[in-house]
Amino acid sequence: AQTVTQSQPEMSVQEAETVTLSCTYDTSESDYYLFWYKQPPSRQMILVIRQEAYKQQNATENRFSVNFQKAAKSFSLKISDSQLGDAAMYFCAYIQNNDMRFGAGTRLTVKP
Amino acid sequence: NAGVTQTPKFQVLKTGQSMTLQCAQDMNHEYMSWYRQDPGMGLRLIHYSVGAGITDQGEVPNGYNVSRSTTEDFPLRLLSAAPSQTSVYFCASSSLRGSYGYTFGSGTRLTVV
Repeated sequence: AQTVTQSQPEMSVQEAETVTLSCTYDTSESDYYLFWYKQPPSRQMILVIRQEAYKQQNATENRFSVNFQKAAKSFSLKISDSQLGDAAMYFCAYIQNNDMRFGAGTRLTVKP
Repeated sequence: NAGVTQTPKFQVLKTGQSMTLQCAQDMNHEYMSWYRQDPGMGLRLIHYSVGAGITDQGEVPNGYNVSRSTTEDFPLRLLSAAPSQTSVYFCASSSLRGSYGYTFGSGTRLTVV
């Protein structure tokens, strides 16, 4: 079974600085998708960014970007110019044929 | 607004009681699923459905039952609540491959005393 590992239970960043959240996954498949979800205190799960495994180019959405290393099975999230509203739990997720697996999450604190 | 509607948002049950968590989506998604979220464990799949009349077990199905009589609705039933089922529950839906991710409901915080 596929597994997703987030090795950082908690991270902290100063407002306006950059932070990187780590994620590794285990799979024998070649065709899959990876996601980062944000869960603020409201509990809503919000899709932040998506990466297609067959694309080498790293996905970018405004201040959010990923470093996708397929051979290393690594999928880190970089948040640039951190804002107070970025404070949340962040979940890395892997999906293949609608089987979505989540990491345990990283709680990000943003200090003013 | 289009999306996944999940009710109730909060619920307290006594051990042994039964209840149904409701989930409805209006995006004509074939795939629907239920997850539970526990601290330090991420989200774990309980049951899923790839279409009306078709359901299957996920990672942690024990103590839960589902049915899918329509494309829109996918209720989750707790047969006899136990304290170990205290958790936050999410319903999600997607197109069949899920390649654009899941749309989640707002979650239900369930406490079993």
